[in-house]
Amino acid sequence: NAGVTQTPKFRVLKTGQSMTLLCAQDMNHEYMYWYRQDPGMGLRLIHYSVGEGTTAKGEVPDGYNVSRLKKQNFLLGLESAAPSQTSVYFCASSYSTGRGAQYFGPGTRLLVL
Amino acid sequence: AQTVTQSQPEMSVQEAETVTLSCTYDTSESDYYLFWYKQPPSRQMILVIRQEAYKQQNATENRFSVNFQKAAKSFSLKISDSQLGDAAMYFCAYAGSGNTPLVFGKGTRLSVIA
Repeated sequence: NAGVTQTPKFRVLKTGQSMTLLCAQDMNHEYMYWYRQDPGMGLRLIHYSVGEGTTAKGEVPDGYNVSRLKKQNFLLGLESAAPSQTSVYFCASSYSTGRGAQYFGPGTRLLVL
Repeated sequence: AQTVTQSQPEMSVQEAETVTLSCTYDTSESDYYLFWYKQPPSRQMILVIRQEAYKQQNATENRFSVNFQKAAKSFSLKISDSQLGDAAMYFCAYAGSGNTPLVFGKGTRLSVIA
């Protein structure tokens, strides 16, 4: 039981490049989330999904897109990376929204030059 | 919208002593959940403790306990017999009713002094 895994762990991009971050969970959770963490800002929700085929915007969705084609996977895409997107990205999943405790992946550190 | 405030950006505690981290929240709901998460230097987010608002009894997990004051909208975390491994960022989080994700505070960095 791996829990929540994220790929890759670290990536360096040049401004304008695109990339996709992959999140996978093996707990059969309905809900999945993408956060970014910046110094002094805590965790900010980018997008989330309440089930396969659904997505919703969080607090800071601009510049990101997501897809949930399979229940166990949640992809976060950056179409044209900007230095402001340098951050640590966390994926999480939960059995239910809100009331269910969220289980987090180990994070992906992204540096955009 | 609900907000979560952690007023102490940094705190320190001597090993084996007790420390309390503060958290307040703003909500108009009566039914909700509150959480404390720990983030050590490894960056992994770890669930420490959970409190259900309709339960009057404060949650406890080994050396970690909470002081939940519903009327005051306060949810503090007490760490007893502090250990070096407790050094981490601690985040308070709120979960309301309906289909809404967690709302996190900005965190408190705890240092443990040997």
